[in-house]
Amino acid sequence: GAVVSQHPSWVICKSGTSVKIECRSLDFQATTMFWYRQFPKQSLMLMATSNEGSKATYEQGVEKDKFLINHASLTLSTLTVTSAHPEDSSFYICSAKGQEYYGYTFGSGTRLTVV
Amino acid sequence: GNSVTQMEGPVTLSEEAFLTINCTYTATGYPSLFWYVQYPGEGLQLLLKATKADDKGSNKGFEATYRKETTSFHLEKGSVQVSDSAVYFCALTNNAGNMLTFGGGTRLMVKP
Repeated sequence: GAVVSQHPSWVICKSGTSVKIECRSLDFQATTMFWYRQFPKQSLMLMATSNEGSKATYEQGVEKDKFLINHASLTLSTLTVTSAHPEDSSFYICSAKGQEYYGYTFGSGTRLTVV
Repeated sequence: GNSVTQMEGPVTLSEEAFLTINCTYTATGYPSLFWYVQYPGEGLQLLLKATKADDKGSNKGFEATYRKETTSFHLEKGSVQVSDSAVYFCALTNNAGNMLTFGGGTRLMVKP
């Protein structure tokens, strides 16, 4: 079945630094990738949608200059949290959708802690 | 717009009890409906899905039937196990199938 690999699983960084999270589709071409943020004991909040080769579409209230999304290939999308602050600490999850597979496949998530 | 409402948790059951997690939705057109499961510290896994009215999705003993007349997609399992403890999310896609809308999630705790 479709597999999405997300790395790192967890990361601790200092305030003011940038963190990059990778999301790779391993056995299918992900034409669309989604990035979500999840706060403790809450549902997933869609941050942005990206199509391969195009600029990401951000949801209202999500700072595109802070959360940089790159989807340069059909198998890789990255989310970079720039100048991270403690309030950016959260669980980030990516999801990928391909044309040949009906459905959404989720990565295992990245827990970001900014200290 | 589309929306999904599911019962608030946590739901606490004893092993082998019957499980129902209610899910209702509001959507235009003919959405597809999903249940996802999230184990602690992990991403989401697709549990089951239904793409049209009266379809029944099933997997690992879990079932849900797409009821268009009641706009519902309730999740059921006849006999839960401790290993079923997780958070369950009901979700739907729009007609184009390019966006998922999630419910708030329901935490299930199964005690031995």
